[in-house]
Amino acid sequence: DQQVKQNSPSLSVQEGRISILNCDYTNSMFDYFLWYKKYPAEGPTFLISISSIKDKNEDGRFTVFLNKSAKHLSLHIVPSQPGDSAVYFCAASGRQGAQKLVFGQGTRLTINP
Amino acid sequence: ETGVTQTPRHLVMGMTNKKSLKCEQHLGHNAMYWYKQSAKKPLELMFVYNFKEQTENNSVPSRFSPECPNSSHLFLHLHTLQPEDSALYLCASSQDQLRNTEAFFGQGTRLTVV
Repeated sequence: DQQVKQNSPSLSVQEGRISILNCDYTNSMFDYFLWYKKYPAEGPTFLISISSIKDKNEDGRFTVFLNKSAKHLSLHIVPSQPGDSAVYFCAASGRQGAQKLVFGQGTRLTINP
Repeated sequence: ETGVTQTPRHLVMGMTNKKSLKCEQHLGHNAMYWYKQSAKKPLELMFVYNFKEQTENNSVPSRFSPECPNSSHLFLHLHTLQPEDSALYLCASSQDQLRNTEAFFGQGTRLTVV
């Protein structure tokens, strides 16, 4: 049973436009959510996080939105740049913190010039 | 550079070999993790160490044996692996396993079992 799901394996967006990556979760005990970015042949790097007490967190071009009632979060990147092309992983944890970080399958984002 | 270094980056081993993966973190973190990423699957947590003590073994077969001599170093000893164990093995660390903080990942070891 996959507790964190990214239903879109890939997404293609034109440079300068908005990229929206989606993630759904099933465990209502999750209270902290993270997005990681991964380039080929590298480990995932932390991008942005959000606690369940918030519904939005912004960092530069990156904004994460959390809809607790729908158990859904999304990552918005605007404007999208070619360097944003990577695989994006959504992850979630609950009271056990980083010990129980659960990842989605990832979405491959391609930014076209 | 995330502050987490894994060696080797690539490893090819036979099913009867014994090898070890090494991870080192320079971030002063107290928790370290081994993850496995197989093709088209989510990252799977394998082991967790907190203050050098193993706190989680996610039903990993005994042919994978972790070792954490101190909070900065983590090893994964491999023996009699199967071809289906071929995957990217990622080490990560975090400040504390129980806090909601991000984990920092190494670049991974691409393991191929032949």
